[in-house]
Amino acid sequence: AQKITQTQPGMFVQEKEAVTLDCTYDTSDPSYGLFWYKQPSSGEMIFLIYQGSYDQQNATEGRYSLNFQKARKSANLVISASQLGDSAMYFCAMSLSGGYNKLIFGAGTRLAVHP
Amino acid sequence: DTAVSQTPKYLVTQMGNDKSIKCEQNLGHDTMYWYKQDSKKFLKIMFSYNNKELIINETVPNRFSPKSPDKAHLNLHINSLELGDSAVYFCASSHSRVANYGYTFGSGTRLTVV
Repeated sequence: AQKITQTQPGMFVQEKEAVTLDCTYDTSDPSYGLFWYKQPSSGEMIFLIYQGSYDQQNATEGRYSLNFQKARKSANLVISASQLGDSAMYFCAMSLSGGYNKLIFGAGTRLAVHP
Repeated sequence: DTAVSQTPKYLVTQMGNDKSIKCEQNLGHDTMYWYKQDSKKFLKIMFSYNNKELIINETVPNRFSPKSPDKAHLNLHINSLELGDSAVYFCASSHSRVANYGYTFGSGTRLTVV
């Protein structure tokens, strides 16, 4: 069964430091996509970064990078130079090629950035 | 010029009532979705439409009925509301029914049933 696991319910980091949010996934489908979304306290869902299962290089978007380790089925999000505005819930999600683009979400990690 | 807009943003209603949430996207996407986020922040898909055709219908009570009059609109009607229906409901859209295209989410509708 397809599943996304985020084992860290909460994380904190000092401003300007880097932080890694963990995500592991389970699927037997060879074609899939991995996503990270940010949900600040205001409630909206903000797309951060995407990694395709066939992509050779790790995805990067500004301060966000996705550490994709296919053999370990992990897709960790790295946020560099944390800012106070990074405090939010972060969700890892997976879509499958045969799944009508259905996104399966993990339980989320709440990140707190301390000054 | 909001990409995916949902109305209303907040909805407080009594048990047993019927209510609707509306969603519209102006991105030209062909697929739209309804997700439910429960009190523990867990997000689960409810329905998906591709060009007005229902393509995903998860295990959802039949009190919930989606309707898509055209590919830019997807509404959610809920009959006989129950306390357990209290949640945040997100509408989303994407380019394609095939995987690996990200969603654009609406801002959510917080439904409170009292």
